[in-house]
Amino acid sequence: GAVVSQHPSWVICKSGTSVKIECRSLDFQATTMFWYRQFPKQSLMLMATSNEGSKATYEQGVEKDKFLINHASLTLSTLTVTSAHPEDSSFYICSARVGNNEQFFGPGTRLTVL
Amino acid sequence: EDQVTQSPEALRLQEGESSSLNCSYTVSGLRGLFWYRQDPGKGPEFLFTLYSAGEEKEKERLKATLTKKESFLHITAPKPEDSATYLCAVYDYKLSFGAGTTVTVRA
Repeated sequence: GAVVSQHPSWVICKSGTSVKIECRSLDFQATTMFWYRQFPKQSLMLMATSNEGSKATYEQGVEKDKFLINHASLTLSTLTVTSAHPEDSSFYICSARVGNNEQFFGPGTRLTVL
Repeated sequence: EDQVTQSPEALRLQEGESSSLNCSYTVSGLRGLFWYRQDPGKGPEFLFTLYSAGEEKEKERLKATLTKKESFLHITAPKPEDSATYLCAVYDYKLSFGAGTTVTVRA
């Protein structure tokens, strides 16, 4: 299957700082990538859809100025959590669309904001 | 709004004890139902895609089936390595996930 990587796998930061998470498709090109957030013992919630070369589409309730998404190439999308606060601590997972609607997921990034 | 409900929330099985997981859904236009396996601290791993009622797919000890209102994931003679959270998701221009069923298989 298609391989998606994320970096870093975990990050700890101080409140008020910004954190960037990278999502890469390793063996294919992805015009569309997705960013999800997962809180403990809960399922994945879609945050935004990232389209190469255009602005991301955010889900209702997700602050686009806080969660900046850039999809500058066909193999890389980045999520920047700006001015992070403890309530932003979560497991962030990206996925890349293959074909019409199948998605392959990255291994996730654990963010802890102190 | 699309809704996906999985049951049970948790399932504890003895090795070799077959069982089924349920995923019921309401969606305006189903363009695919997906099953994923998620291990703790990892991203979801793709298992199956089902597109139409009556469709079945198998992979090792897992078999997924689909009706117009629900999908089942059957685990036959499970082994401890089948322990994981199994997620169901429906696709209607975006993936909507259920809360998952956490399966624990004891040796």
